[in-house]
Formats: sequence, C-alpha cells, structure tokens
Amino acid sequence: EAQVTQNPRYLITVTGKKLTVTCSQNMNHEYMSWYRQDPGLGLRQIYYSMNVEVTDKGDVPEGYKVSRKEKRNFPLILESPSPNQTSLYFCASSLFPAGGRDAFFGQGTRLTVV
Amino acid sequence: EDKVVQSPLSLVVHEGDTVTLNCSYEVTNFRSLLWYKQEKKAPTFLFMLTSSGIEKKSGRLSSILDKKELFSILNITATQTGDSAVYLCAVVSSGGTSYGKLTFGQGTILTVHP
Repeated sequence: EAQVTQNPRYLITVTGKKLTVTCSQNMNHEYMSWYRQDPGLGLRQIYYSMNVEVTDKGDVPEGYKVSRKEKRNFPLILESPSPNQTSLYFCASSLFPAGGRDAFFGQGTRLTVV
Repeated sequence: EDKVVQSPLSLVVHEGDTVTLNCSYEVTNFRSLLWYKQEKKAPTFLFMLTSSGIEKKSGRLSSILDKKELFSILNITATQTGDSAVYLCAVVSSGGTSYGKLTFGQGTILTVHP
C-alpha cells in the first residue's frame, strides 16, 4: 500500500531535549516536505527536498534541521526544542514538486514541548 | 515574503446553499495554486490550477484562477454536511535552489448545518 509513515504520532517532551520525527515513503517519490500546522495559521512549510542531498528552506525553518540521505526517508530534527515548537506536524511526498493529485500526506505528529 | 490570504476565515451555511471561498496571493516566481480539503486528518487534494481563466470542476466543486489579479476562488454548490471542513489554498513557487516552495493560506473553516 502506498503511504507516508510518520513516527511518532504523539510526543510530549521537555525543552532542550533533542528529538527526531521520522518520515518514510514507499512510492519512490523525489519530492518530500515538512509542514507544521497551528490554529489560525494554516499549514506552514518548514523544509522541502527535491531529491537525495537536495534540501531547501520553507517559510519557517528556524529551529529545525532535515536530512535526505536516502530517497525514502526525510527526518525532521529539533536540536533544542522549545515550547513554541508545540504543533501538529505533517510530512508529505509526491512524484512532482509540491504535489497536487499525487501528493501523499503522513498521518501527522502531534508534538508538545513543555 | 510570500503571502497567501484566504477569506472568509469561517463560514456557516445551511445545506443547499452555495459558497464561494477566496484565496489571494503575493508570491515571487508563481508556479501553480492548489486547493485542499482538511477534515480531522491530513489534507486531501482538490484542484491544481496553473492557467488563468480555466475552470476546474469536480462534481459540485469548481475553481478558477486569475493570474492577473492574483487570486483564486473555490465554489461549492448545493452544500452538504459532508462538505464541513477546513479548505486550504496553497501556492507553489520557486525558492532557493529549486522549485517546490509551498505557501499556505490560513484556511477557511466551513460549517454546513442540516
């Protein structure tokens, strides 16, 4: 089954403790992207990647890192999480940049930083 | 800074009504505009618009793009309670070393009462 898998689905952590949210897709998609969603602000793009070893900043990259060492994986790293990074995070992948009909979204990761 | 603004932010109607959702944008290097529907999970794709003046249609939903005036509208006719959701508009643009930057609006919360 074609899918984008994010882990974990829910995470509560403390300020400053490094964490990684994993994202994996099984469709051989070249384009992958991370978003955060906050009430009243909609979805905001954090980082995106056009292919292996190619990543670019979205609108809100501060406080986040990504890597794309393999086509299927695109982890989101928070080196020193802060409470303002409490949010709902989505990973997405698509064959063509930025998706459209072929874009698959993960189930979301709800992160709380206390 | 790229910007996408949706209006209204919230809309409450009765079944059978017709609604028009608006999306205006200011981005550099515009590539395409996307509409998504989001219920209690990840967004699902509705339309991708790249050319001005060409209406995309799917059942009771339709959308059109005006690249001169920098806006798009999403129309839903004969609304049903199942149309209740958040409707997201997003613009794809070129950014950084590649294209694939996605800027979302805040979303319009549509509530359809029986």
